[in-house]
Amino acid sequence: EPEVTQTPSHQVTQMGQEVILRCVPISNHLYFYWYRQILGQKVEFLVSFYNNEISEKSEIFDDQFSVERPDGSNFTLKIRSTKLEDSAMYFCASSVGPGGIDTQYFGPGTRLTVL
Amino acid sequence: AQKITQTQPGMFVQEKEAVTLDCTYDTSDPSYGLFWYKQPSSGEMIFLIYQGSYDQQNATEGRYSLNFQKARKSANLVISASQLGDSAMYFCAMRAGLASGTYKYIFGTGTRLKVLA
Repeated sequence: EPEVTQTPSHQVTQMGQEVILRCVPISNHLYFYWYRQILGQKVEFLVSFYNNEISEKSEIFDDQFSVERPDGSNFTLKIRSTKLEDSAMYFCASSVGPGGIDTQYFGPGTRLTVL
Repeated sequence: AQKITQTQPGMFVQEKEAVTLDCTYDTSDPSYGLFWYKQPSSGEMIFLIYQGSYDQQNATEGRYSLNFQKARKSANLVISASQLGDSAMYFCAMRAGLASGTYKYIFGTGTRLKVLA
C-alpha cells in the first residue's frame, strides 16, 4: 500500500542552524501539507502546497519557513534559523484532492530537537 | 470559524468492551469531512475513518464506527471490542469544503485511550 515517507526520523540541531525536512508524498497525490505537533499538544497546520505554490499557510509559517518541491517526488520543509520553540514533531501529509472528502495521509513524522 | 472540540483528555476501557470517544465540531460550510486518526506512542498518525457531511449512513471500518449526528454537530468514534493495541491518542479532525477556501485540517486536542487487561 502506498505511503508517505519522511526523512530523517529524528533531527537534532543547534539553535540558529538551518534544517531541511524531507517528505515523499504518495505518488498520485497532488496536494501536500506540513503540520507540526509540539510534544503533548495538538496537531497544528503549517502550510499546504499545490501546483508548485503555496495554497495556504498559517500564522506559524513565518519567513523562517519555506517549502519546495525540488523534483517530481520530494517535498521539503526548510527552517532557516531554528529556534528552541521549533522543537516538535513535523508531519508531512498528502491528498489526491483539496476538498472535504479527500483524506490526508500522514507520514511517520520527523522529530526535530533544537538545542 | 471552524473548530473541533474533544472534551475527554483521557479515557479508560476494559479489554473487549466498546468505548465512545467524543468529538463536536463547528463550521458554517455545508460541505465538510470529518476524520479520526490514531497516534500510538511511536508518534505516527494513522487514518482510521472518514465521514462526509452529505453521507446518509454512519461510516464503519472494521471495529471502528463513527456516530455522526449532524444536527448536534457531533462525530463520535466508537471502538468495539477494544484491544490492548488500541491504547493510543485519538484525534478528531475536520476539513471544510472548498467553499471555505481552505484545505487544511483542524484538529481537536485529542483523547488518550488506555485499554485495561
